[in-house]
Amino acid sequence: GALVYQYPRRTICKSGTSMRMECQAVGFQATSVAWYRQSPQKTFELIALSTVNSAIKYEQNFTQEKFPISHPNLSFSSMTVLNAYLEDRGLYLCGAREGVPGPSQNTLYFGAGTRLSVL
Amino acid sequence: QQKVQQSPESLSVPEGGMASLNCTSSDRNFQYFWWYRQHSGEGPKALMSIFSDGDKKEGRFTAHLNKASLHVSLHIRDSQPSDSALYFCAAKQTGFASALTFGSGTKVIVLP
Repeated sequence: GALVYQYPRRTICKSGTSMRMECQAVGFQATSVAWYRQSPQKTFELIALSTVNSAIKYEQNFTQEKFPISHPNLSFSSMTVLNAYLEDRGLYLCGAREGVPGPSQNTLYFGAGTRLSVL
Repeated sequence: QQKVQQSPESLSVPEGGMASLNCTSSDRNFQYFWWYRQHSGEGPKALMSIFSDGDKKEGRFTAHLNKASLHVSLHIRDSQPSDSALYFCAAKQTGFASALTFGSGTKVIVLP
């Protein structure tokens, strides 16, 4: 089956410091990886979508300078939260899907997330 | 305004009963829909997808899509305590390079 692992599961960082989180796809090729942040109220914010052989597309309010993402191969992606502050708290979810570029409705498989707390 | 709206916010159903969840999109570019379930402490797991008008049944779960009204629903038959979770509707535009937009969720509580 298609599995997505995220680590660490939980992390605490001091205000102003940075934190890197990782995402591993097992059992399928992660052609596309989407990073989301889920708020304490459980709403989802899309941070960025990374597709192999395409530029990473960031959503409004999220930038590469703040949330640099790496997607070097079809099984791994990482994202760093630079200069984390209280408003960056939340559950960071990695969703990955297979499929070839073009019209595709492949299901997005999620990991359990990395919960970021900022002191 | 949220592009994907869900109702109700919360729903209690007796064990063995039927739970009905609703989702409406305000964006006609959304053509593909999923239902996800998230248990406490876990990531969201895809329950089912629906892309065509009508019903789609998978076990105790039935999804219904009406593209004209941009309305999709999920019905859980014979609800079990393990069905207690957050349920999210997610929508997507055509094209591989488009991500999912999630609704705000419905909390389902199955009462034993």
